[in-house]
Amino acid sequence: EAQVTQNPRYLITVTGKKLTVTCSQNMNHEYMSWYRQDPGLGLRQIYYSMNVEVTDKGDVPEGYKVSRKEKRNFPLILESPSPNQTSLYFCASSPGQTSNQPQHFGDGTRLSIL
Amino acid sequence: AQSVTQLDSQVPVFEEAPVELRCNYSSSVSVYLFWYVQYPNQGLQLLLKYLSGSTLVKGINGFEAEFNKSQTSFHLRKPSVHISDTAEYFCAVIRMDSSYKLIFGSGTRLLVRP
Repeated sequence: EAQVTQNPRYLITVTGKKLTVTCSQNMNHEYMSWYRQDPGLGLRQIYYSMNVEVTDKGDVPEGYKVSRKEKRNFPLILESPSPNQTSLYFCASSPGQTSNQPQHFGDGTRLSIL
Repeated sequence: AQSVTQLDSQVPVFEEAPVELRCNYSSSVSVYLFWYVQYPNQGLQLLLKYLSGSTLVKGINGFEAEFNKSQTSFHLRKPSVHISDTAEYFCAVIRMDSSYKLIFGSGTRLLVRP
């Protein structure tokens, strides 16, 4: 089954404790992206990757890092999480040949930073 | 720059009644348009998309949307809703050039009552 898998689905942690949210897709997609969803703001892009070893900032990259060492994986790293990073996070992927191809989303990761 | 406005944060409606969820966008370049649905505790699922051609597009679950270029709108409609349609709905645009960044509206929560 074609899917985007995120782990963990839920995490409660404390300020300053490094964490990683994993994202994996099994569709051989070139493009991958991370979004955060906050009430009243919709989804905002954090980082994206056009292919292996190619990443770039989205609209709200501060406090986050990403890497793309393999085509299927695109982890999101919070080196020193803060309470304002409490949010619902989504990973998405698309084939990448043209922008009209819909993005496939994971089920989300709800992070609470205390 | 692009922006998407969903003026209604919540739309309550009775089962079997028609519904329209409004979406307006602003862009200096041509865009593709999408509607996504988010059921509780799930990721985003594509409902429908407008790429070109007929301005009336049909999607899954009986939803349809009409692209109006002069009014820069892409309203979502369903003639008769079900309880199972209760969810959050997001309108999104993406540039027709090489950008892959989805710009989302703030979302509309559809609440279907028996």
